[in-house]
Amino acid sequence: GDSVTQMEGPVTLSEEAFLTINCTYTATGYPSLFWYVQYPGEGLQLLLKATKADDKGSNKGFEATYRKETTSFHLEKGSVQVSDSAVYFCALTKYNNNDMRFGAGTRLTVKP
Amino acid sequence: NAGVTQTPKFQVLKTGQSMTLQCAQDMNHEYMSWYRQDPGMGLRLIHYSVGAGITDQGEVPNGYNVSRSTTEDFPLRLLSAAPSQTSVYFCASRSPGLPTQYFGPGTRLLVL
Repeated sequence: GDSVTQMEGPVTLSEEAFLTINCTYTATGYPSLFWYVQYPGEGLQLLLKATKADDKGSNKGFEATYRKETTSFHLEKGSVQVSDSAVYFCALTKYNNNDMRFGAGTRLTVKP
Repeated sequence: NAGVTQTPKFQVLKTGQSMTLQCAQDMNHEYMSWYRQDPGMGLRLIHYSVGAGITDQGEVPNGYNVSRSTTEDFPLRLLSAAPSQTSVYFCASRSPGLPTQYFGPGTRLLVL
């Protein structure tokens, strides 16, 4: 079945460092890909998405590009802030499929 | 709009007790889902509904019941709680034909 594998955490960075969180997927057809963020004590919030190959999703300085040739959707940010500390989930779903598949999550801690 | 709301935020149960987790959304979304979040496993789909009166099982349905009498509400019932059901539960909703799911803030359940 469809699945998502993302970089094991936790990840600890200093403020203004470059962030990469790797995400790869296995799926038939053409899934839509997502990054969700979960701040402490809160639910999941959509960070960005891409619905077809070569699309780039971006939001709040974060970016991810849908790479079908490498089945990847890596999350990047050029300069992280303390406020970016959270758990990040990579996920996929397919058109009219209600089952969204999630990676295990990567906890990011940014230190001042 | 309040989006997706869940009650309670936290609950402690004894083994064998029953309870209902409430979920409501005010976005007129046809599709609603329940997920559980366990450490190191991301989110897994329990049950979902594509409209009032229609429900179906997800990846981990055992021990849970659902019903959907209105578009707005999608309660999750635990008939006889077990320690293995200790988890954080998230409700989500989306519009048909659009891939993005919107999540509630979650219910943390502890079964002793």
